[in-house]
Amino acid sequence: DTGVSQDPRHKITKRGQNVTFRCDPISEHNRLYWYRQTLGQGPEFLTYFQNEAQLEKSRLLSDRFSAERPKGSFSTLEIQRTEQGDSAMYLCASSRPTTSSDTQYFGPGTRLTVL
Amino acid sequence: AQSVTQPDIHITVSEGASLELRCNYSYGATPYLFWYVQSPGQGLQLLLKYFSGDTLVQGIKGFEAEFKRSQSSFNLRKPSVHWSDAAEYFCATYNNNDMRFGAGTRLTVKP
Repeated sequence: DTGVSQDPRHKITKRGQNVTFRCDPISEHNRLYWYRQTLGQGPEFLTYFQNEAQLEKSRLLSDRFSAERPKGSFSTLEIQRTEQGDSAMYLCASSRPTTSSDTQYFGPGTRLTVL
Repeated sequence: AQSVTQPDIHITVSEGASLELRCNYSYGATPYLFWYVQSPGQGLQLLLKYFSGDTLVQGIKGFEAEFKRSQSSFNLRKPSVHWSDAAEYFCATYNNNDMRFGAGTRLTVKP
């Protein structure tokens, strides 16, 4: 399978703990995106990378959130001191834009539950 | 800022009936437009996309969508719905690195 993969698929943690999620994009894709999706809503943009550079961050991305893409391949999203409001599905997507198109392909997501 | 509206939160159709899911966008120019489908607990699967050219776009699983600039709409259609089409459907716009999703329409298929 050469699609976007995410690990873990599910994470249950206690409030105040730190969690880290991993995303492996499609291999030739230079852009990688993180989204958050809460129940009954569409995905909301968090941040994106072009190669290893983090080019944009949403206001939704508080100081407790940090994302990295150290070698321009896989990415990690860390949430420190988790809160119950962080419970959501965290989606990763990747793309390889051209001059005429840009299509994002999504992974299966990591569902976070904060107790 | 661009935005996407999916007016129908939940739609129920009988298996074999036709389907139309509505999507309206708000943006000064024509953004890229997408429809994604999401099964429970899963990620999003791309159904189809519109960038330019022919305003009637064909996608996977027998879906199509029509871009209407005058109505700022990009409605998704399928002539005959299958039980396996039951899922959540999201319309999205993309412009200048900014991807916005609608709140989604949940499709239930009656036997």
